[in-house]
Amino acid sequence: DGGITQSPKYLFRKEGQNVTLSCEQNLNHDAMYWYRQDPGQGLRLIYYSQIVNDFQKGDIAEGYSVSREKKESFPLTVTSAQKNPTAFYLCASSIEWLGETQYFGPGTRLLVL
Amino acid sequence: AQKVTQAQTEISVVEKEDVTLDCVYETRDTTYYLFWYKQPPSGELVFLIRRNSFDEQNEISGRYSWNFQKSTSSFNFTITASQVVDSAVYFCALRGNTGKLIFGQGTTLQVKP
Repeated sequence: DGGITQSPKYLFRKEGQNVTLSCEQNLNHDAMYWYRQDPGQGLRLIYYSQIVNDFQKGDIAEGYSVSREKKESFPLTVTSAQKNPTAFYLCASSIEWLGETQYFGPGTRLLVL
Repeated sequence: AQKVTQAQTEISVVEKEDVTLDCVYETRDTTYYLFWYKQPPSGELVFLIRRNSFDEQNEISGRYSWNFQKSTSSFNFTITASQVVDSAVYFCALRGNTGKLIFGQGTTLQVKP
């Protein structure tokens, strides 16, 4: 079945540790996105990629990094510079960048030990 | 600036009641898209509908209907004869010329049996 997968479902981070969240899609979509969701709030854009080998900062990129080496993969690294990483992270993709519907993965919940 | 406001933080209804979720948006773009997503307790955002700014025709899909009015910058969502399975957080979102998806804060709907 076509879709977006995210792993792991739950992730625990120790202080000062970098962790990487996986996002894979087999929809042949060009554009991919990472969002952060905090309790009781809407989604905020962290990074987005319009096409492979290209990515742009979103509204809250500080403390995060991404790569887009393959069309189907868009991993997000939460670095030690992100002081408040506890949140629900959602990956999304769309056929192309502008105007198209974004479809979301199941999410990864990141907790700090 | 673009903004989406969902003034209703939480709504509680009894099964079989009709319920309307409000969404008001702000944008200066002449071409834009409006979306509704459902987020069940599992966390994944499920796409419900997309509307472009040139199409004010109301949409009905089963028990769901959407009322788009440019004159009042509103895109409201009505569930007819609500069911317990409709319990979720519902997000309204706007996408303009920047390509970024702007989310409202979400409305938590609880349908009691």
